[in-house]
Amino acid sequence: AQKVTQAQTEISVVEKEDVTLDCVYETRDTTYYLFWYKQPPSGELVFLIRRNSFDEQNEISGRYSWNFQKSTSSFNFTITASQVVDSAVYFCALSEAREYGNKLVFGAGTILRVKS
Amino acid sequence: DTEVTQTPKHLVMGMTNKKSLKCEQHMGHRAMYWYKQKAKKPPELMFVYSYEKLSINESVPSRFSPECPNSSLLNLHLHALQPEDSALYLCASSQTEAGGTDTQYFGPGTRLTVL
Repeated sequence: AQKVTQAQTEISVVEKEDVTLDCVYETRDTTYYLFWYKQPPSGELVFLIRRNSFDEQNEISGRYSWNFQKSTSSFNFTITASQVVDSAVYFCALSEAREYGNKLVFGAGTILRVKS
Repeated sequence: DTEVTQTPKHLVMGMTNKKSLKCEQHMGHRAMYWYKQKAKKPPELMFVYSYEKLSINESVPSRFSPECPNSSLLNLHLHALQPEDSALYLCASSQTEAGGTDTQYFGPGTRLTVL
């Protein structure tokens, strides 16, 4: 069965600090997809990134970067020079490639608090 | 434009009421989803519609009744709910549901309180 573990329940940092959110996943499939979503206090889940299991290149988007390591089944997310607006709950999620049914399995989420 | 809209934003209902949640997307997506999210928990999938047909029902109680009138609209009809059904109800859509590849885009949610 697929499973996503986000071991960090809550992280607090001071503005401009770098912070890394950990995500470890379990799946038996060779083809799968990993996602990160941000959920600010307003409630909407905001899509950040999708990565497929065949693409192990790291990605950078502005202050955000992602490190995908298949060998350790990890897909970690780093925010550089954090800002107060980054305060949110961050979810890592896994979707297996199936012929029928697109189901996202979410980790428990990490609450990030950025203080000014 | 990745926008999914949901109405109402907040809903308070009694256990004997009948109400409906509405979700709309104009991205041409053919798969739509309902999720339930309890406080401090991740979203949990309830239903998936693909090409306007119900494709996944995650053993949701019958007091929740989904409906997909067309490819842009998704409703969730509520009847005889319990206080433990109070939660944030999130709608999402994706291009298709095939192969688990498509990104799901979420709406802002409806915060439901059952008294």
